[in-house]
Amino acid sequence: DVKVTQSSRYLVKRTGEKVFLECVQDMDHENMFWYRQDPGLGLRLIYFSYDVKMKEKGDIPEGYSVSREKKERFSLILESASTNQTSMYLCASSRFGVGTEAFFGQGTRLTVV
Amino acid sequence: AQRVTQPEKLLSVFKGAPVELKCNYSYSGSPELFWYVQYSRQRLQLLLRHISRESIKGFTADLNKGETSFHLKKPFAQEEDSAMYYCALSGRGGGADGLTFGKGTHLIIQP
Repeated sequence: DVKVTQSSRYLVKRTGEKVFLECVQDMDHENMFWYRQDPGLGLRLIYFSYDVKMKEKGDIPEGYSVSREKKERFSLILESASTNQTSMYLCASSRFGVGTEAFFGQGTRLTVV
Repeated sequence: AQRVTQPEKLLSVFKGAPVELKCNYSYSGSPELFWYVQYSRQRLQLLLRHISRESIKGFTADLNKGETSFHLKKPFAQEEDSAMYYCALSGRGGGADGLTFGKGTHLIIQP
């Protein structure tokens, strides 16, 4: 059974804190992604990575950074959390190839107070 | 820029009635189109992709390049189809640059 696991299901952080969201996949996938999911806005791509130590900005990278030191792990970092970053964060991974399926984690609901 | 439009935020139909969830896209090349589904309290998962030309759980979707559409259809809705449905597009081969999602349609099947 394929797995994408996010380290926390729920997080509550204070404004200005540095926040780390961790994601691990066990499928040896090349591609990994971070999305945020907001009601009425769907999923929006924050950052993606197609190889170890490689990272590319998605559609809404401001206020975020990422790290991929190992193939199976992709971390999302909020340098200084703000209330407008309160959201559901979804990690995903996929193989490189045409029409390949993206596998999603269970999500981390982050609340910034 | 690539874009996916799902015009209906909410769609409510009765059990046994046909269902059509609309999806239109904007992309200058040859896109790969997908439908993803999220059932209550479950993770987002792939329902079907145009490249496979398959029917999953009775759902089908045909890519119409002339109308730039990829509507999801099912002839007879079932209560277990109630979920959030997202249409998504991958613009480059390999999927390495991620998916562009529509805003989603919440499908409710009334008993």
